[in-house]
Amino acid sequence: AQSVTQLGSHVSVSEGALVLLRCNYSSSVPPYLFWYVQYPNQGLQLLLKYTSAATLVKGINGFEAEFKKSETSFHLTKPSAHMSDAAEYFCAVSDRDNDMRFGAGTRLTVKP
Amino acid sequence: EAGVTQSPTHLIKTRGQQATLRCSPISGHTSVYWYQQALGLGLQFLLWYDEGEERNRGNFPPRFSGRQFPNYSSELNVNALELEDSALYLCASSPGTSGRNGETQYFGPGTRLLVL
Repeated sequence: AQSVTQLGSHVSVSEGALVLLRCNYSSSVPPYLFWYVQYPNQGLQLLLKYTSAATLVKGINGFEAEFKKSETSFHLTKPSAHMSDAAEYFCAVSDRDNDMRFGAGTRLTVKP
Repeated sequence: EAGVTQSPTHLIKTRGQQATLRCSPISGHTSVYWYQQALGLGLQFLLWYDEGEERNRGNFPPRFSGRQFPNYSSELNVNALELEDSALYLCASSPGTSGRNGETQYFGPGTRLLVL
């Protein structure tokens, strides 16, 4: 079965610094990969989705992620962190039958 | 366009009682998914319904059950509540399988269940 591993349960960056959230996946077939964000006391909001059309995927709020098959990775980046980016981020993989599996999540803290 | 809605927003029950959580998908979506998000445990897949049928089930005991109605809304029932059932329960919807894979799931705000 497919799975994802998010490296680092907590990441702290300074405002204006690069954000890098790591995600590695495991899948027996070409996967669909997702990044979601969850703000406190809210549901999950889709940031971006990889569908094999392009390896570099641009999402909302200035985030992007690069699919690297050789590294089985789909890391999320943003060049310059804003205070409003503080949230929990989830990587997810879906291959067959819309069976989506989530990583454990990475909590991003942005320091002023 | 309205998003996924869930009710109630909060629910307080005592151990042994039953809880019923409701979800209305985005208009036109036929697939509904349920997840449990307990503190420190991430999102755990519970159930997937499509076109009124249960398509998949996560590793949860049978006291977690649900159904999908003809209008594609869904209900999650948790019987014989235990303290560890306290969690945020998230519902998501997607357009529907129809042979497609990798559909984006759109999430509701969740129902926070507290079992005392």
